[in-house]
Amino acid sequence: DGGITQSPKYLFRKEGQNVTLSCEQNLNHDAMYWYRQDPGQGLRLIYYSQIVNDFQKGDIAEGYSVSREKKESFPLTVTSAQKNPTAFYLCASSLGLRGTVNQPQHFGDGTRLSIL
Amino acid sequence: SQQGEEDPQALSIQEGENATMNCSYKTSINNLQWYRQNSGRGLVHLILIRSNEREKHSGRLRVTLDTSKKSSSLLITASRAADTASYFCATDAGYGGATNKLIFGTGTLLAVQP
Repeated sequence: DGGITQSPKYLFRKEGQNVTLSCEQNLNHDAMYWYRQDPGQGLRLIYYSQIVNDFQKGDIAEGYSVSREKKESFPLTVTSAQKNPTAFYLCASSLGLRGTVNQPQHFGDGTRLSIL
Repeated sequence: SQQGEEDPQALSIQEGENATMNCSYKTSINNLQWYRQNSGRGLVHLILIRSNEREKHSGRLRVTLDTSKKSSSLLITASRAADTASYFCATDAGYGGATNKLIFGTGTLLAVQP
């Protein structure tokens, strides 16, 4: 079955440490997204990528970095510059520029990041 | 900034009753989407309504869109305990459809009591 896989499900970060969250999709989607969700809140866009080797900052990119070397993969690194990283991180994908302007997004089951 | 504001923030009903959630947004849109999120899980796409549509149905779901009032509603009929989840609206407002980015609202937490 096609879908999006995020790993790990739970992650703990020590002070001054960078951590990387994995996101893999086998939906043959061009576009991928990273969101942050805080308790009781909606989703805020961190980074998005429309196509391989290209990505753009979202609304809250500071303290985060991404890469898009393969179509299937869009890893997110939470750097030590992100002072409040505790949150639920969600990865999503959609058809991208090959599709219409009206596209649903498909989500993984998230990674919960906490500070040690 | 968040485009959509859902109302109410939380809703508790009995099984078999109908649940109505509302979403308001600020700028013009190409489409509005509704998603469901079970606790600790990712979002699941429920339904998409285009700006030139006024009503759409999918199973027990009915969505309406009023672009003049910049609002949408999601009705779940004959609710079940399994419908317990958070529901989010999302729009592509402000992006002109060029990026497929979405802006999500703050969500309505629905609890269906058996």
